Amino acid sequence: SYELTQPPSVSVSPGQTARITCSGDALPKKYVYWYQQKSGQAPVLVIYEDSKRPSGIPERFSGSSSGTMATLTISGAQVEDEADYYCYSIDSSGNHRVFGGGTKLTVL
Amino acid sequence: QVQLQESGPGLVKPSQTLSLTCAVSGGSISSGNYFWSWVRQPAGKGLEWIGRTHTSGTTNYNPSLKSRVTISIDTSQNQFSLKLSSVTAADTAVYYCAREAGYCSGGSCYSEGLDYWGQGTLVTVSS
Repeated sequence: SYELTQPPSVSVSPGQTARITCSGDALPKKYVYWYQQKSGQAPVLVIYEDSKRPSGIPERFSGSSSGTMATLTISGAQVEDEADYYCYSIDSSGNHRVFGGGTKLTVL
Repeated sequence: QVQLQESGPGLVKPSQTLSLTCAVSGGSISSGNYFWSWVRQPAGKGLEWIGRTHTSGTTNYNPSLKSRVTISIDTSQNQFSLKLSSVTAADTAVYYCAREAGYCSGGSCYSEGLDYWGQGTLVTVSS
């Protein structure tokens, strides 16, 4: 089955740039989506179609994708950005969705 | 503002069928190009996509769960449902319903991601 691979954890100081990666064989042909999940809450979509930001998501969140790797970048990370982040994409059949294992972002 | 709300038993016995419903408010489940999805998350673990359905009748399931999962839609009640059969303790999780937005262009269809989520409901499998 198709898999997306993320680092288990990333740590930055407030104001620094945080980068979270996601790798998958189908990423050259399929979009990546990113979700933020704070403790005890439902996930929130922060990036869709590799680099688009839904309304209400701060501009410090950006996304990019090249080859088999996608990156979520948080420029000037803030303490409130501390959360689990999941990438999500579609397998080569186009019918099945899959989440990455998640990355715990610590900002302190 | 679209809202989704899961409901169903919080405790299910092993080997039985887990049944959940997601009520959609603030919009018609039949309007727009949306897939209605289920996602689950065991305690302390990551998100797992279960499957999705569309009012056209199209359904897609996670291959690892396909033999046990049924997702259906009831447009008259503006809700959709999840059934997971032959459950074990490994199916204990918070279950979320979510809306997947999409659009079609140039003969291809694209997803805009899971843009609205329910708050989640904990289902425990135990005797």
